Amino acid sequence: DAGVTQSPTHLIKTRGQHVTLRCSPISGHKSVSWYQQVLGQGPQFIFQYYEKEERGRGNFPDRFSARQFPNYSSELNVNALLLGDSALYLCASSWAMGGEGTDTQYFGPGTRLTVL
Amino acid sequence: EDKVVQSPLSLVVHEGDTVTLNCSYEVTNFRSLLWYKQEKKAPTFLFMLTSSGIEKKSGRLSSILDKKELSSILNITATQTGDSAIYLCACASGNTGKLIFGQGTTLQVKP
Repeated sequence: DAGVTQSPTHLIKTRGQHVTLRCSPISGHKSVSWYQQVLGQGPQFIFQYYEKEERGRGNFPDRFSARQFPNYSSELNVNALLLGDSALYLCASSWAMGGEGTDTQYFGPGTRLTVL
Repeated sequence: EDKVVQSPLSLVVHEGDTVTLNCSYEVTNFRSLLWYKQEKKAPTFLFMLTSSGIEKKSGRLSSILDKKELSSILNITATQTGDSAIYLCACASGNTGKLIFGQGTTLQVKP
């Protein structure tokens, strides 16, 4: 079975540009979460989507937005890129929203975003 | 504010050594604690712990949760160079799927 897939693998953008990152969850999983990981730190939660609705949002500015499609894949959009947005963006999928033993999230390989 | 702290931040050992990695947490509405191994990019799932005092084991790796002390340890016995990685501890809380991660422990195993 395919794991979580993300595209693109790497991306280089300049300040002020916009970027869209894509994620396909494991088959049968209905929840997708997005995390930002800067070098030397653990991942930071950005969003969770479950059944196409936003279920959680981390402490990120409104320049960050996301959505989930009927096939449960997801997009993360970042507008007006700043140098500080350079990071590894990880997508994780789980079969439910969380709780009652469903907390395990499976991560994709990530998208490495560099903002110049 | 919810917080997960790991120690040590980095560790260098030789093959065959046993290591213990620590994770402490201050998380409201704690639900579970998870351990991940991150070698290049994708963190890979190791354990999920929900009950205090029950050891989970997979090969040379084992982990246990202490809800009284708000902490967990991850043990790796007979380390191998392939164990070199960043080990991440995360907590799930509340009624969403948000995971709160620690900063990770970088383990280097020398031949």
